[in-house]
Amino acid sequence: EVQLVESGGGLVQPGGSLRLSCAASGFSFSTYAMSWVRQAPGKGLEWVSGISGSGLDTYYAESVKGRFTISRDNSKNTLFLQMNTLRAEDTALYYCAKDKHNGGGSCYSYWGQGTLVTVSS
Amino acid sequence: VIWMTQSPSLLSASTGDRVTISCRLSQGISSHLAWYQQKPGKAPELLIYDASTLQSGVPSRFSGSGSGTDFTLTISCLQSEDFATYYCQQYYSFPFTFGQGTRLEIK
Repeated sequence: EVQLVESGGGLVQPGGSLRLSCAASGFSFSTYAMSWVRQAPGKGLEWVSGISGSGLDTYYAESVKGRFTISRDNSKNTLFLQMNTLRAEDTALYYCAKDKHNGGGSCYSYWGQGTLVTVSS
Repeated sequence: VIWMTQSPSLLSASTGDRVTISCRLSQGISSHLAWYQQKPGKAPELLIYDASTLQSGVPSRFSGSGSGTDFTLTISCLQSEDFATYYCQQYYSFPFTFGQGTRLEIK
């Protein structure tokens, strides 16, 4: 059974940093691209970042480019999102999501339950 | 960036009704479009991918159509468990983008 479990969220001041993790199990982690998607309270879904199975290719939304870094450790089946220079508008529930098809460029067949990031002074 | 316009943002309907939700894109994406359902407090769930392919386990009353820039999600014969929020997503080019969402409520 595929499982995605996010952690690392919390309350942080504007300008601060957080590192989110997503522990994956139940599938061959290194063969699937993974992504982060966020949802601000009461708002819609916003794609944040994606990474290829090898970790060599990364992609970002304009809103986070230069501040967030996506990475993965395939030996530990874990996805990361390093978030720096956080702003109030980064407050959201952050989901990790698994591509439906291997090879990249796919929709998401599995989602975690999310980890909440609150940026406030 | 590919912009997406999803409509309507709010849809009121009754059980047994047939409803359609539209997703229009700023440029063609072939059939690289998915539809998700999200219920309050839950993660989104994949309903349709590649514009018209039903995800395993999803009831056949859900269907998707379209290609290029215009896509539609249809739910025939609404059931009580279908009242939720629906999102379209393009995965043709990065950054991947979502529609604004359609909240389907009971009339």
